[in-house]
Amino acid sequence: GDSVTQTEGQVTVSESKSLIINCTYSTTSIAYPNLFWYVRYPGEGLQLLLKVITAGQKGSSRGFEATYNKETTSFHLQKASVQESDSAVYYCALGITGNTRKLIFGLGTTLQVQP
Amino acid sequence: DTTVKQNPRYKLARVGKPVNLICSQTMNHDTMYWYQKKPNQAPKLLLFYYDKILNREADTFEKFQSSRPNNSFCSLYIGSAGLEYSAMYLCASSGGHQDTQYFGPGTRLLVL
Repeated sequence: GDSVTQTEGQVTVSESKSLIINCTYSTTSIAYPNLFWYVRYPGEGLQLLLKVITAGQKGSSRGFEATYNKETTSFHLQKASVQESDSAVYYCALGITGNTRKLIFGLGTTLQVQP
Repeated sequence: DTTVKQNPRYKLARVGKPVNLICSQTMNHDTMYWYQKKPNQAPKLLLFYYDKILNREADTFEKFQSSRPNNSFCSLYIGSAGLEYSAMYLCASSGGHQDTQYFGPGTRLLVL
């Protein structure tokens, strides 16, 4: 089957410190899935943060970066210096395309940035 | 504009009664999706419409129905709500060959 694992349910980081949120995936449906990070800010809906469709490539947005690593089946989210406004829930997702279209989400990681 | 709208934002339903949730998008996207999100669980796809063709996930096939009267609107219908249907319901849309899905704010359903 297909699955996405985010090992940390909650992460607390002090403002201006670095961040890494781990994401690994497993798939039997598609050899090269598209990989996504979505974010949900308090009171808002899910928003696309970044997307990478090619293995080995890096995506970036709003200071966040993630590299599609097919060897380790990972797509970790990183930021060099977090801000209080980054406090949100971050979801890693795997995209299944073709006739069966779906996003397979991880459980999400709640990021709390302390001032 | 990448807005997906959902109505209502909150819904209270009684066990055994029907529930109808509405989603709309103005991006002329060909595909619309419904996901269910429960606390401490990942969002889970229930079904999607590609144009006029409905595709339902095998494990929720009999629990949810949907209609898409035109390109912009899509509904999620529960014929007889049970306590286990209490959840956040997320609508999303995508267009063409782009598989990026754009999500609405969600409808929180509470079944009592």
